[in-house]
Amino acid sequence: DVKVTQSSRYLVKRTGEKVFLECVQDMDHENMFWYRQDPGLGLRLIYFSYDVKMKEKGDIPEGYSVSREKKERFSLILESASTNQTSMYLCASSQAGTGGSSGEAFFGQGTRLTVV
Amino acid sequence: AQTVTQSQPEMSVQEAETVTLSCTYDTSESDYYLFWYKQPPSRQMILVIRQEAYKQQNATENRFSVNFQKAAKSFSLKISDSQLGDAAMYFCAYGETSGSRLTFGEGTQLTVNP
Repeated sequence: DVKVTQSSRYLVKRTGEKVFLECVQDMDHENMFWYRQDPGLGLRLIYFSYDVKMKEKGDIPEGYSVSREKKERFSLILESASTNQTSMYLCASSQAGTGGSSGEAFFGQGTRLTVV
Repeated sequence: AQTVTQSQPEMSVQEAETVTLSCTYDTSESDYYLFWYKQPPSRQMILVIRQEAYKQQNATENRFSVNFQKAAKSFSLKISDSQLGDAAMYFCAYGETSGSRLTFGEGTQLTVNP
């Protein structure tokens, strides 16, 4: 059974704290993603990575950074958490776009982060 | 940049009836993927159905089927014989063939009434 695992299901942090959201996949996928989900806005891409140590900004990267030191792990970092970063965060992974790729992304169960 | 629009924030259907969820997208590419994902209250995103743009035939998965109109850039999802377990948020998504990213619509909350 393929799996993407996020380290926390619920998280409460204080304004100004440094926050780490961790994601691990066991499918040997090249691509990993961090999305933010807000009501009425769908899922918006924060950052993605297509290889170890490689990253690209998505649509809303401000206030976030990422780290990918190993292929299976992709971390989202909030350097100084703010209340407007209260949201649901979803990690996903997919196979690189080769002939065998279906294009499908596999998702973790989400982390609901509240910044107070 | 690609965009995906779901114009129905909420839909409801009676159990055993049929419902259609709408999705339009914008792209200048000729080859791409389109997806419908389901997110139940458990929050786990589940792939419902997938369409490759170069295939003219509409994808079907049991009670779920799509109406893919490439020229109109439209990708609707039809759920037949609706069941209580179909109640969820449904997201339409556009995928690049490079697999580098998915772009999502705003979502449609589907309620199934007994």
